[in-house]
Amino acid sequence: EDQVTQSPEALRLQEGESSSLNCSYTVSGLRGLFWYRQDPGKGPEFLFTLYSAGEEKEKERLKATLTKKESFLHITAPKPEDSATYLCAVHPSSASKIIFGSGTRLSIRP
Amino acid sequence: DAGVIQSPRHEVTEMGQEVTLRCKPISGHNSLFWYRQTMMRGLELLIYFNNNVPIDDSGMPEDRFSAKMPNASFSTLKIQPSEPRDSAVYFCASRGQGANEQFFGPGTRLTVL
Repeated sequence: EDQVTQSPEALRLQEGESSSLNCSYTVSGLRGLFWYRQDPGKGPEFLFTLYSAGEEKEKERLKATLTKKESFLHITAPKPEDSATYLCAVHPSSASKIIFGSGTRLSIRP
Repeated sequence: DAGVIQSPRHEVTEMGQEVTLRCKPISGHNSLFWYRQTMMRGLELLIYFNNNVPIDDSGMPEDRFSAKMPNASFSTLKIQPSEPRDSAVYFCASRGQGANEQFFGPGTRLTVL
């Protein structure tokens, strides 16, 4: 069964303290892996798409990486405005729809 | 670009009433998705359309839920009759042809009393 697991559920960091969020997946084949950011009361905002192991993408303080079993979202020197829930989703090759993980709630303290 | 537009943003209704949620996808996008988000179950796909045709409705919880897409710029999700367990945030998303990324609307927060 296709599955997506995100860890940790919640992460509290001090401003400037770098860390990583994990997304582990089990699929028969991967068509794409997505990272979204969701702020309270808003819809998920698209960040990155990764397609193959070894691929990396960057945007400001965020960098997403992909292996055959997991993806990491690295946050470098975060700021309070980076506080949000980060969602990972996978599109299995055998399915027509994407599967979302439960998300990681990130809180950055000033 | 205005992005995906949803209405209403908030809906409070009583059990047994009919609820209709509306979505306008991004212009030019040919796929549209309806999701439901709750604390317990996270983000779940209910149904999606490609070129206005329903492709996968396996996520629709039961016959009380129905969705239509009469044209490329409008879709509705209807719940009749509504129940308290339907309370959730409902999101609409759209995707361009040949693309993988979905773009979400702001959501409709539904409360059924």
